[in-house]
Amino acid sequence: ETGVTQTPRHLVMGMTNKKSLKCEQHLGHNAMYWYKQSAKKPLELMFVYSLEERVENNSVPSRFSPECPNSSHLFLHLHTLQPEDSALYLCASSQDAGVETQYFGPGTRLTVL
Amino acid sequence: EDQVTQSPEALRLQEGESSSLNCSYTVSGLRGLFWYRQDPGKGPEFLFTLYSAGEEKEKERLKATLTKKESFLHITAPKPEDSATYLCAVQASSGGSNYKLTFGKGTLLTVNP
Repeated sequence: ETGVTQTPRHLVMGMTNKKSLKCEQHLGHNAMYWYKQSAKKPLELMFVYSLEERVENNSVPSRFSPECPNSSHLFLHLHTLQPEDSALYLCASSQDAGVETQYFGPGTRLTVL
Repeated sequence: EDQVTQSPEALRLQEGESSSLNCSYTVSGLRGLFWYRQDPGKGPEFLFTLYSAGEEKEKERLKATLTKKESFLHITAPKPEDSATYLCAVQASSGGSNYKLTFGKGTLLTVNP
């Protein structure tokens, strides 16, 4: 595997389900990010981790819970989501947090019924 | 608040017909301006980073330029495979988050054969 990978690529869940999104980066980077991309809207930064420490939480509802067990892996735990949470969730990584270029994974297309 | 406006929202070109995409930005000190390409259902693919006014970068048929207020992505003799959404993002050097990229909504480019 190379670059940034995400699983699953597609997820359909009910409002009462609990699911997790997984991201893995194979670039040796120290910073990882979660973004949300909704139709007709710009990408929105959700969370930033630098060396496994959360350094940014961009006013995201508590029904989204991130986890970064090491610098290569990032999870987004989902529970009691709303239909408006349906979107493409993108993971990215960069060498370090800051001005470094961010490299994105393919995304997880989430549909909340 | 940092803002990024991309125009046009959509652009349709004939193969070989050169044109430019615009990214206007308002930011409290620019650390970097980024161009990405995004194909449907995929994550953004990094193209260029520009750091200061007057800087230019080229890659195949693409050339990015930067002024103090805007950036242009020039596409010379485009081919159908250049069809994608082109995203512009900025990172501020002062105030607020040092990690946050502020994205525009993108320009959807379609190149007809």
